[in-house]
Amino acid sequence: KAGVTQTPRYLIKTRGQQVTLSCSPISGHRSVSWYQQTPGQGLQFLFEYFSETQRNKGNFPGRFSGRQFSNSRSEMNVSTLELGDSALYLCASSPGRGQNEKLFFGSGTQLSVL
Amino acid sequence: AQSVTQLGSHVSVSEGALVLLRCNYSSSVPPYLFWYVQYPNQGLQLLLKYTSAATLVKGINGFEAEFKKSETSFHLTKPSAHMSDAAEYFCAVSDRGKSTFGDGTTLTVKP
Repeated sequence: KAGVTQTPRYLIKTRGQQVTLSCSPISGHRSVSWYQQTPGQGLQFLFEYFSETQRNKGNFPGRFSGRQFSNSRSEMNVSTLELGDSALYLCASSPGRGQNEKLFFGSGTQLSVL
Repeated sequence: AQSVTQLGSHVSVSEGALVLLRCNYSSSVPPYLFWYVQYPNQGLQLLLKYTSAATLVKGINGFEAEFKKSETSFHLTKPSAHMSDAAEYFCAVSDRGKSTFGDGTTLTVKP
């Protein structure tokens, strides 16, 4: 089985722009979660989608949004980028059937905001 | 609300020495606990998870963790460190689709 695929791997944007990140989960997985990882804040939960519906949401401003398609692929969008949005954005997938499921992570998208 | 505290942001051991990475959790419900490892420029990989079937959980690469409810702890250990164990380790607690991670512990292994 192919793993979780995130594209692009690296991204450079300037303040005020918007960006869209993509995540393809493992085949058969219906839950996709997004995390922001920074040296100062660690791993912060952004949101989780299951069957095209946002099931959980972290404490991020409305500039951060996401969606999930019928094939379980997910996109995350950040509008009006700020310098502080520079981070590694990780996507993780799981079957989504239980609470004790492990997460399968992609390699992440490294976003740099200049 | 659930939370995880990892004691020690950096741990350094000699090759062949015992590895002990500490994790304490707070959860209002029976916890679903995990340890993940992250190598440079990569995503996280699961090392092991607590399933309530046994308090001592064995994972990959010789790691294991012991769940102690009375101490609300889930410390990660490995009897003998290898150079390839150098990485960042995260303890996590999961509740209804949302995982909360600790701040991570960077393990350095000295030759």
